[in-house]
Amino acid sequence: GAGVSQSPSNKVTEKGKDVELRCDPISGHTALYWYRQSLGQGLEFLIYFQGNSAPDKSGLPSDRFSAERTGGSVSTLTIQRTQQEDSAVYLCASSSTNWETQYFGPGTRLLVL
Amino acid sequence: AQTVTQSQPEMSVQEAETVTLSCTYDTSENNYYLFWYKQPPSRQMILVIRQEAYKQQNATENRFSVNFQKAAKSFSLKISDSQLGDTAMYFCAFIGAGSYQLTFGKGTKLSVIP
Repeated sequence: GAGVSQSPSNKVTEKGKDVELRCDPISGHTALYWYRQSLGQGLEFLIYFQGNSAPDKSGLPSDRFSAERTGGSVSTLTIQRTQQEDSAVYLCASSSTNWETQYFGPGTRLLVL
Repeated sequence: AQTVTQSQPEMSVQEAETVTLSCTYDTSENNYYLFWYKQPPSRQMILVIRQEAYKQQNATENRFSVNFQKAAKSFSLKISDSQLGDTAMYFCAFIGAGSYQLTFGKGTKLSVIP
């Protein structure tokens, strides 16, 4: 595929459950980003991976959120013990290097009941 | 810290007409990049146009063009010959050169009316 892909497209979960969101970046892109888009809050940066460097996790809202990137490609964002305020669209993006144009995936809409 | 402001939460335009979306930003950096992204109801964030701050010439992409005023820190998007498929949320975004964190505005919801 030519673009960034994300799965699942939609996820409904119960409060307190863990969820995993997956992102597959554009082939060859070394930089990968996660953003959260909440209703009325705009887009907020969550985490950034660049190659084999340590990720910048400064945007993660709590220690319930974690992310990893295996083999410099696919990334998984994990939310433990989900809360209703975690409901949002989670967007993944990738770029060829850190300041180049970021290309976004279709997002995962998470609904926590 | 950088901020991006889009002062028009919603706009509408008649099909085939021209519309301009406003964006202002605040930064102390001299070298940076500005973007307009489009997000239709499908949720996919699509790049519309990109402007490098060191370039004086305004970027254009087919029906889309920008008016980049560096001194005024203004970056407006003009859509000519509006089409129904242009209906979407439009986000203005900023990134400092050498940085990696995009800063987004709150977005402008554009409706193209047939």
